Amino acid sequence: AQSVSQHNHHVILSEAASLELGCNYSYGGTVNLFWYVQYPGQHLQLLLKYFSGDPLVKGIKGFEAEFIKSKFSFNLRKPSVQWSDTAEYFCAALNTGGFKTIFGAGTRLFVKA
Amino acid sequence: SQTIHQWPATLVQPVGSPLSLECTVEGTSNPNLYWYRQAAGRGLQLLFYSVGIGQISSEVPQNLSASRPQDRQFILSSKKLLLSDSGFYLCAWSVYTRDTYNEQFFGPGTRLTVL
Repeated sequence: AQSVSQHNHHVILSEAASLELGCNYSYGGTVNLFWYVQYPGQHLQLLLKYFSGDPLVKGIKGFEAEFIKSKFSFNLRKPSVQWSDTAEYFCAALNTGGFKTIFGAGTRLFVKA
Repeated sequence: SQTIHQWPATLVQPVGSPLSLECTVEGTSNPNLYWYRQAAGRGLQLLFYSVGIGQISSEVPQNLSASRPQDRQFILSSKKLLLSDSGFYLCAWSVYTRDTYNEQFFGPGTRLTVL
């Protein structure tokens, strides 16, 4: 069955620390991969996406993610987090041309000032 | 630009009462529409999606139903609410293009509490 797994449910970091959130997917066929973010009190919004081409994709606010096909992974990274990055992060996958997006359970990130 | 509206923002209903949550999208035509339920620590659970007027796909058999009476209107309903229906309900839309590949845009959500 199709699934998306996020490794950490809660992460606490100090400002300027580096961030890596793990995401693994289980899908047949070609997939499109996404990271969404939900800041406190705001709508869920897209952070970055991968469809094809360069496996290292860059998103808003200095975030990037690397697609490693052999590991079925799409980990999110940021070299230096800020207090304003405190949010919940969701990894998601979608079969190319499909409609049904599967979301991971989410990772709550808290950044200490 | 496109916008998505959901109402009400919060709702408290007794067990056994009916439910109607509404979602409307502006600024786009023939969108794909989705209803999700978000539970803490469990991510987003897809409940229904629709690729056109009157076309509804159900992902999880349960106490809820969905309808799409107009192109940009999506309604989530129940005849009799259960305690387990409590949660945060999100509506989303997407349009398949070469650039977006059905990237989804989410509404503000409805917090439903069933007592």
